[in-house]
Amino acid sequence: GQQVMQIPQYQHVQEGEDFTTYCNSSTTLSNIQWYKQRPGGHPVFLIQLVKSGEVKKQKRLTFQFGEAKKNSSLHITATQTTDVGTYFCAGRWTTSGSRLTFGEGTQLTVNP
Amino acid sequence: DVKVTQSSRYLVKRTGEKVFLECVQDMDHENMFWYRQDPGLGLRLIYFSYDVKMKEKGDIPEGYSVSREKKERFSLILESASTNQTSMYLCASSLPGLPLHFGNGTRLTVT
Repeated sequence: GQQVMQIPQYQHVQEGEDFTTYCNSSTTLSNIQWYKQRPGGHPVFLIQLVKSGEVKKQKRLTFQFGEAKKNSSLHITATQTTDVGTYFCAGRWTTSGSRLTFGEGTQLTVNP
Repeated sequence: DVKVTQSSRYLVKRTGEKVFLECVQDMDHENMFWYRQDPGLGLRLIYFSYDVKMKEKGDIPEGYSVSREKKERFSLILESASTNQTSMYLCASSLPGLPLHFGNGTRLTVT
């Protein structure tokens, strides 16, 4: 089946450093969503990207969708301890209907 | 606010038992999903449903079945639990094409 690959699996940063996680699909996505899961919690929706080359910002978080709609990234500027958690991308393809396929996730730890 | 409720937070079952995981949503969402989450593997889709009595297999349906008799309720059934089904199970619901709302999860241990 169709897959979304996400890297890195783990990232440890010092507070104040930047962080980026990347997602890649071998085939063109119709849209991609990003979720955050705090330790002990459940995934919570952050944002959806639909258009080729789309860039969206939420405070210190910047989300990008590639021109070919095959890759996406989440960048956090100047991380804080509140950013700790696992970040997942989740993709849909035109052939997959309502099915949402998640990447493996990137677990972020922030040292104060 | 959307509420997705999973009946149990923690569950311990024995190998071979039939296990029911229940999920209820209160927002009249058409779509409901069951995922399992394992370290390093992300969330893997077991089954989803886009309407009452409708279901589709996800990526890992083997060993599982589902039931959706009412719009608000989506049940995951392990016909004969095995140790490799020890995992965190997450239920979610959504309107078509829109973001998923997750329940708090059920951590199932099969001994």
